Amino acid sequence: DAGVIQSPRHEVTEMGQEVTLRCKPISGHDYLFWYRQTMMRGLELLIYFNNNVPIDDSGMPEDRFSAKMPNASFSTLKIQPSEPRDSAVYFCASSFRGASTNEKLFFGSGTQLSVL
Amino acid sequence: QKEVEQNSGPLSVPEGAIASLNCTYSDRGSQSFFWYRQYSGKSPELIMFIYSNGDKEDGRFTAQLNKASQYVSLLIRDSQPSDSATYLCAVNMGRSSASKIIFGSGTRLSIRP
Repeated sequence: DAGVIQSPRHEVTEMGQEVTLRCKPISGHDYLFWYRQTMMRGLELLIYFNNNVPIDDSGMPEDRFSAKMPNASFSTLKIQPSEPRDSAVYFCASSFRGASTNEKLFFGSGTQLSVL
Repeated sequence: QKEVEQNSGPLSVPEGAIASLNCTYSDRGSQSFFWYRQYSGKSPELIMFIYSNGDKEDGRFTAQLNKASQYVSLLIRDSQPSDSATYLCAVNMGRSSASKIIFGSGTRLSIRP
């Protein structure tokens, strides 16, 4: 398996523009997580899904952020409109629980977002 | 109070010495605890997980858990320059089948030759 795939790797946009980040989890994984990482705030959990259903979105900063998982192999995180304070590295991660207690997260390479 | 707290460092340790990294968490009901390593510009990768009180050893790494004190630690023996990275403590604060994995802000470790 190729691992968790995120796109784009880098995104530079202007304030007010819509940004869409994409994630393909590892096949067979039933959990998908979106995290945001900054120097000031560390690695923050934004939202996570179980079997394509959003379970907890309490970390989503505000209504400008939305996330979807239309099927088991694809998720998006959208920011509309974007602001300079959204600049960060956004990571997608997936894991498989099943009957196992192993909750290892497999991270994608991240998307470096810069909002000018 | 943050849900998962770590000293941000940097922690500087001479090569060959023991590096000790600490983490505290707020939710007394948490059951699963993890240590991830993140090299600069890279993604976090899991190095240890622990579920029961006590010590768990894996090579040069030992994770220690004390649920009564809500404290998790990671010891790295015989530290190598390649161990220089940021170490992230993570706690599963979910309930039943939930899986809300919260990270601390990380401790930057530097191994000096």
